[in-house]
Amino acid sequence: GAVVSQHPSRVICKSGTSVKIECRSLDFQATTMFWYRQFPKKSLMLMATSNEGSKATYEQGVEKDKFLINHASLTLSTLTVTSAHPEDSSFYICSARGVLAGVSGELFFGEGSRLTVL
Amino acid sequence: GDSVTQMEGPVTLSEEAFLTINCTYTATGYPSLFWYVQYPGEGLQLLLKATKADDKGSNKGFEATYRKETTSFHLEKGSVQVSDSAVYFCALSGGAGNNRKLIWGLGTSLAVNP
Repeated sequence: GAVVSQHPSRVICKSGTSVKIECRSLDFQATTMFWYRQFPKKSLMLMATSNEGSKATYEQGVEKDKFLINHASLTLSTLTVTSAHPEDSSFYICSARGVLAGVSGELFFGEGSRLTVL
Repeated sequence: GDSVTQMEGPVTLSEEAFLTINCTYTATGYPSLFWYVQYPGEGLQLLLKATKADDKGSNKGFEATYRKETTSFHLEKGSVQVSDSAVYFCALSGGAGNNRKLIWGLGTSLAVNP
């Protein structure tokens, strides 16, 4: 299947700093990318939906100024956690849907990025 | 709104046992239904899907049938293996157009013992 790569897979940062996570579709063009947060023993929580070239659509309760999403090209979306705090520590996962995907288009997931804020 | 209810785990089985993981949903319209799997240390991947009522998705010995009358999409496998140990997520597609998004169940952890 198609490949989505996330980087970094693990990051540790100090409280107050900003962290950028990249999500790349390696062998297909992704018009839509989704960013999720996964808590231990919990389901995935959709944070935002980003379409290439336009502003991201954030889910209710997600601070758009804290979680900056940029989808500048059909193969790259970035999530920047600004002024990170320990409560932002989590597993962040991106997924992408291809340009040619149908109505039930399969989502391809990145490996996830484990953020730990000290 | 749309939702997915999945049986709680963890589920622990012996190798070659029969597996059922229940999943029911509520949705407006006609969603597509999915099972995703997350193996230890790996990312999520699609296991199988069904796009309309009475469709049966199947892959790697797993099956699930889209039952509109009972709003269910239960995952089954006749004989599990140790390598099937993973977390399984049921999901449905909600919304419309390019922003169609997945609504997720909480996940069911499966451990298969040799």
